[in-house]
Amino acid sequence: ETGVTQTPRHLVMGMTNKKSLKCEQHLGHNAMYWYKQSAKKPLELMFVYSLEERVENNSVPSRFSPECPNSSHLFLHLHTLQPEDSALYLCASSQEGGFEAFFGQGTRLTVV
Amino acid sequence: AQSVTQLDSQVPVFEEAPVELRCNYSSSVSVYLFWYVQYPNQGLQLLLKYLSGSTLVKGINGFEAEFNKSQTSFHLRKPSVHISDTAEYFCAVSDRNTGTASKLTFGTGTRLQVTL
Repeated sequence: ETGVTQTPRHLVMGMTNKKSLKCEQHLGHNAMYWYKQSAKKPLELMFVYSLEERVENNSVPSRFSPECPNSSHLFLHLHTLQPEDSALYLCASSQEGGFEAFFGQGTRLTVV
Repeated sequence: AQSVTQLDSQVPVFEEAPVELRCNYSSSVSVYLFWYVQYPNQGLQLLLKYLSGSTLVKGINGFEAEFNKSQTSFHLRKPSVHISDTAEYFCAVSDRNTGTASKLTFGTGTRLQVTL
């Protein structure tokens, strides 16, 4: 596979569940990102990892917990989510200092 | 801090007609500018970017955009659209001082709907 791959593509979870979103990039990049895309709102940058260290956390609630075990993989662990957390979650990667971010297809999350 | 305004949430257009998608930005510092496209059930793909040099930039799929510093605009154009151009288009900026992909600020997007 090439590019940025996200799994699962769709996820329905209850408010008491714990689940994880996975992102894998095959581009040799060293920076990875989580974005939240909600209807009628701009994309919101949630987390940035550069060289496997978290360098940005944009006031994201603690019910979202990122993990970056290596430069190719990024996870978003979810627990006790709220219905308003339903959205498309996009993973992206880039070369640190580069200008172009490459996006995955996203995970459509529905919290019931 | 920067902000991006895409005034048109939806733009309907007939196939083979020209189209312009508007983007205005606000920033206290110099910026780089980008247009991304999102096809249904897909992630975002870079269409084109302005970093420096000529203010008219050409991208993929026949799109082009012109940077106008005095009007703080970066409008996207295509002289003749195709059905396959139906998608959501996002304008984005980043701070020249940090200037990396990690500092992108996006607009709310414009839905381009091309019909026969």
